Amino acid sequence: GEDVEQSLFLSVREGDSSVINCTYTDSSSTYLYWYKQEPGAGLQLLTYIFSNMDMKQDQRLTVLLNKKDKHLSLRIADTQTGDSAIYFCAENPNQAGTALIFGKGTTLSVSS
Amino acid sequence: DVKVTQSSRYLVKRTGEKVFLECVQDMDHENMFWYRQDPGLGLRLIYFSYDVKMKEKGDIPEGYSVSREKKERFSLILESASTNQTSMYLCASSLFFWRDYEREAFFGQGTRLTVV
Repeated sequence: GEDVEQSLFLSVREGDSSVINCTYTDSSSTYLYWYKQEPGAGLQLLTYIFSNMDMKQDQRLTVLLNKKDKHLSLRIADTQTGDSAIYFCAENPNQAGTALIFGKGTTLSVSS
Repeated sequence: DVKVTQSSRYLVKRTGEKVFLECVQDMDHENMFWYRQDPGLGLRLIYFSYDVKMKEKGDIPEGYSVSREKKERFSLILESASTNQTSMYLCASSLFFWRDYEREAFFGQGTRLTVV
């Protein structure tokens, strides 16, 4: 069945890089997403990557995609305390009218 | 800006009460979703709707029902609330036919429901 796996917790120091990993199962997924949820808020799209790309960079964020291994990662450079949040990986089943499939979320804790 | 608005941020209800959670979106999206979020379990899909009066069960529909009478509004109903339905409820919307990254789902701010 379809499943998205993530580790549940990551703790880093301010200024370090954070790497959050995700594996997914649906090889037909066209887009893969990273959502961010700050405390007490809903989810907001952080970035996404098209399945024919290996890498996407957006300021401090780098997304790496290994389609062969169905592995997705999000790297946050120079992590700040404001980056503390839950990060969700999601895959997009290649079918109209269906829901995104989310991982359980990785809680990133940034200490100063 | 896309806006998905949930009617309440916090709700406290008694066991056995009928509870309505309302969600409204202003982007003319066909798809609307209800998720519940629990620590360690992530987001679990309860129901979704791809058109007015249409609904599909998600992963955990038991104890819930939904109503979509208008395109912009999707209601989640707890017919008889129980303590195990204490959770954060998130509503989302998206386009039905997607191109490129338009498959993005936009989320409301969430409703934290406590059933006592």
